[in-house]
Amino acid sequence: GNSVTQMEGPVTLSEEAFLTINCTYTATGYPSLFWYVQYPGEGLQLLLKATKADDKGSNKGFEATYRKETTSFHLEKGSVQVSDSAVYFCALTSGGYNKLIFGAGTRLAVHP
Amino acid sequence: GAVVSQHPSWVICKSGTSVKIECRSLDFQATTMFWYRQFPKQSLMLMATSNEGSKATYEQGVEKDKFLINHASLTLSTLTVTSAHPEDSSFYICSAREDGLMNTEAFFGQGTRLTVV
Repeated sequence: GNSVTQMEGPVTLSEEAFLTINCTYTATGYPSLFWYVQYPGEGLQLLLKATKADDKGSNKGFEATYRKETTSFHLEKGSVQVSDSAVYFCALTSGGYNKLIFGAGTRLAVHP
Repeated sequence: GAVVSQHPSWVICKSGTSVKIECRSLDFQATTMFWYRQFPKQSLMLMATSNEGSKATYEQGVEKDKFLINHASLTLSTLTVTSAHPEDSSFYICSAREDGLMNTEAFFGQGTRLTVV
């Protein structure tokens, strides 16, 4: 079935460091791909998305490119801030209801 | 963006009792809503797809008699945890996508933390 695999965390970085969180997927058809962010004690918020191959989603300095050939959707940011500390979830849409299937989540901790 | 409201945000109940969690789409209609469960420091596990006017579709391994879902209107779905036990303690999250827009953002409620004592 459809699934999402994320790199295990936690990822610990210093402020202004470069961030990459790997995400690969297995899916039939042509899913849409998403990154969601969850701040402590809160629900999920959409960070960015891409709906077809080679699309690049971007928001708040974060980027991810839908790579069909490598079935990947890696999240990147050139310079992280302390406020980026959160859990990041990669997800894809699946099935007749376009339900979201999530990866395990990657916790990011950014230190000053 | 659209708002999904979940209530209550937290609840503590005694073992053996039932707890109802509400999920409302405040400014859009959602024929379909989704219920997730999240264990500490883990991902979201899809429990079921809630369909207005029909029975919910449960994921494999989820007990439909224990987790009752009722999609009463185009803006309200409820999850009732029946005869709750301590192992049901978890963070429950609902989400909804605006009708007719299948590839757009799914909006999430703020979650409900259930503690069964």
